[in-house]
This record gives sequence, C-alpha cells and structure tokens, in this order.
Amino acid sequence: DVVLTQTPVSLSVTLGDQASISCRSSQSLEYSDGYTYLEWYLQKPGQSPQLLIYEVSNRFSGVPDRFIGSGSGTDFTLKISRVEPEDLGVYYCFQATHDPLTFGSGTKLEIK
Amino acid sequence: QIQLVQSGPELKKPGESVKISCKASGYTFTDYAMHWVKQVPGKGLKWMGWINTYTGKPTYADDFKGRFVFSLEASASTANLQISNLKNEDTANVFCARWGYPGTFAYWGQGTLVTVSS
Repeated sequence: DVVLTQTPVSLSVTLGDQASISCRSSQSLEYSDGYTYLEWYLQKPGQSPQLLIYEVSNRFSGVPDRFIGSGSGTDFTLKISRVEPEDLGVYYCFQATHDPLTFGSGTKLEIK
Repeated sequence: QIQLVQSGPELKKPGESVKISCKASGYTFTDYAMHWVKQVPGKGLKWMGWINTYTGKPTYADDFKGRFVFSLEASASTANLQISNLKNEDTANVFCARWGYPGTFAYWGQGTLVTVSS
C-alpha cells in the first residue's frame, strides 16, 4: 500500500502568516495517463472532510487562492498564505493513483 | 444541489450488526460510484472501499473484507453499509463519499457514528 507521510503533525500559526504542510509518498503518484492524483482535504472540527486541491495543484470550486498545492512524483506541499481563522482543522493529503486509496495521517493547524 | 444524507448514530453491542444508509440527491445516482471512509474518533481517515452504483459490484479494502457489505437501493438513490459481528474496534464515524471529477471526493455525507460497547 502507498504510505503518505505528512509533516508536521501539528502546526501553530499566527493569523495572517503562512503555513506549509509536506506530504511524502512511498511511491510515485504519477499515473500511467500522466496525471498525478494527489489531493488535499481539510476537516474542520465536527465536520466532514472537504476537498481543497486535486491533481496536485488545482483548487476545487470555491477554494480561496490562498491555498496553493505543488509537487511531483513523491513529494508534495500545501501552502496556506495569510492564514485565517476558518482555516483551522486537520489537513489530509490523499492519493487516488494506486489501489488501495490512502490518506496521510493528518496535520492539525491551530491558530496562535 | 448535490447532497449525501446519512442515517443517524448507532449504539450496538459486540456481536450485533448495524446497517448505515447514505441517501443521495441532486444528481443521477447510478452515474457515480459511492465510497466509504472510516474515522476512529480523534484519528485519521481510512478508505474502506466502494460500490459501483450502476452494476452494484462492491470492492473492499483488505481490512474490510468479511464482515462488511456494501449494497444499494438504487430506486431510492441509497447506498448502504452493513457491518456484522461488531467489535469494539468498529467504533468509528463512517462517511459515504461520492466519487467524481474534478477531485475524487467532492461530496461527503455528514457521517454516522457507530459505537460498539457492552
């Protein structure tokens, strides 16, 4: 199974600052069709996960441009510029390239 | 608008069975596969598998083979998950999530908390 290792486990950020989360995969996430099915989800307290980023760097509908995904192969990053109060929660990376589908272990973003 | 509405919380004893439902609306149910995701309270997300809503064929992740059954009531646009012979470690919030594009899981149910306790 593909293991997605997220760092850090938790992150405390001042409002308005930038946050950065890393996701490293145990295998390349580039599929045979040339696409890389690496996504980012945010789970706010008491809610279902919500899709932020798909195919490494594409923001889902309605996601602010403060959320920026990047990376390739096995190394991926989610950057949140100008952190706002509604950004708190747990961020998960997720891969749909290989079966079984797997999630990273999560990064908890707290506001200082 | 697209919605996935799950059934309410369940409290069960070890050895019992439970059936969770996920009712979809706002789209053609049979056009998109339905997936299931487990989350132990305070822990991360684990993919359980999926069901082809057109053919009814289920696919289970390895840890969910045997006691878990995905099924459909297609006429009611509903996907179901039944867990038999419940164990304490089945205590979790279980989500249904619609497969689609763009993004794999753009739509999620609100989650169903299953608590297994004697």
